[in-house]
Amino acid sequence: DAGVIQSPRHEVTEMGQEVTLRCKPISGHNSLFWYRQTMMRGLELLIYFNNNVPIDDSGMPEDRFSAKMPNASFSTLKIQPSEPRDSAVYFCASSLTGVGYTFGSGTRLTVV
Amino acid sequence: GESVGLHLPTLSVQEGDNSIINCAYSNSASDYFIWYKQESGKGPQFIIDIRSNMDKRQGQRVTVLLNKTVKHLSLQIAATQPGDSAVYFCAERGGGGADGLTFGKGTHLIIQP
Repeated sequence: DAGVIQSPRHEVTEMGQEVTLRCKPISGHNSLFWYRQTMMRGLELLIYFNNNVPIDDSGMPEDRFSAKMPNASFSTLKIQPSEPRDSAVYFCASSLTGVGYTFGSGTRLTVV
Repeated sequence: GESVGLHLPTLSVQEGDNSIINCAYSNSASDYFIWYKQESGKGPQFIIDIRSNMDKRQGQRVTVLLNKTVKHLSLQIAATQPGDSAVYFCAERGGGGADGLTFGKGTHLIIQP
């Protein structure tokens, strides 16, 4: 298995632009998680899905952030409009019924 | 302006010695715990897990100990190698059907030759 696949690996964008991060979970996993990692706050859970349904989005910072999971093999995290304070590494992870949490390599986002 | 980041605890050990990394968790209802290793520029990598109905679990060169009374988790790495240099995180799952993991701040393990 190729593991959790995230794209792009790096993204540099200007403030105000829309940013879309992508994730392909491990085949057969039924839960998907989006995390953000910063030096100030460490690893924070933003949102997670079970069977493609959003379960807990209480970690999403504000309305500028949205996430979708249209099918079992794909999810997006969108920031619109982006701000410099959104600069971070964003990780996607997947699991099967609460075990085997596997992380992707992350997307390093820089908003200038 | 200058940003102030997290000051990660650092553990420095000699190559070949055993390492013990500690973690205090906050939620007494947490039912599952995982230790992750994160190398620079990479995502967290699973090391070992333990359920709340256990107090010890062993893997290859690693042991996790869970003390629910004081809400403490530790990771023991035997015969530490240069490749063990990384930041180590403990993570807890809150129980009650909540699947998201909450991560600790991390410990930076440095291996001295």
